[in-house]
Amino acid sequence: DTEVTQTPKHLVMGMTNKKSLKCEQHMGHRAMYWYKQKAKKPPELMFVYSYEKLSINESVPSRFSPECPNSSLLNLHLHALQPEDSALYLCASSQGPGTGRRDEQFFGPGTRLTVL
Amino acid sequence: DAKTTQPTSMDCAEGRAANLPCNHSTISGNEYVYWYRQIHSQGPQYIIHGLKNNETNEMASLIITEDRKSSTLILPHATLRDTAVYYCIVRVKDSSYKLIFGSGTRLLVRP
Repeated sequence: DTEVTQTPKHLVMGMTNKKSLKCEQHMGHRAMYWYKQKAKKPPELMFVYSYEKLSINESVPSRFSPECPNSSLLNLHLHALQPEDSALYLCASSQGPGTGRRDEQFFGPGTRLTVL
Repeated sequence: DAKTTQPTSMDCAEGRAANLPCNHSTISGNEYVYWYRQIHSQGPQYIIHGLKNNETNEMASLIITEDRKSSTLILPHATLRDTAVYYCIVRVKDSSYKLIFGSGTRLLVRP
């Protein structure tokens, strides 16, 4: 199984809503990532979890709150978002550096988020 | 990680080879060249990577110049499904989580 799954595919939320994005992989990868991609722009790294601990936070606003309940799951909790947060949110996973194995990242299809 | 420069867009005819160039003139000795692509409405997909030797897999070939300052991704027989944005990324293999995407090349394969 070389798939990263993300739910939901699409999400529309108001600025006062609380919602969560979910990501799952069963490849035994120990690193998981959240990226944000605006239209016609490349993906930008938001967070990295390594061995279920937050390893990198790219100065992301606190209205985005990541969580890694176990090695296969990654959540992104959303609260009080702004319309400019509308984007495609991509999850990825990899073996992680230092494993001596292939370290390419496997991406999910993304969640397209619209904030009204 | 070294910066890369790619053409904004390219096109090729279906069935012909697509040659996508990438300049990385400031590449360090321990940095690899990676290629990913992103088909519309999907997540990026790993294609291939290399250090200095030419590499080939089931998806593509990667040709790296002897001075390592540029490389070319070759899709030998492009199909309509190869229409995508192709990203050339330079990074130190197996030492960092970060994958920094540049602007990429938008490849259009024409019927």
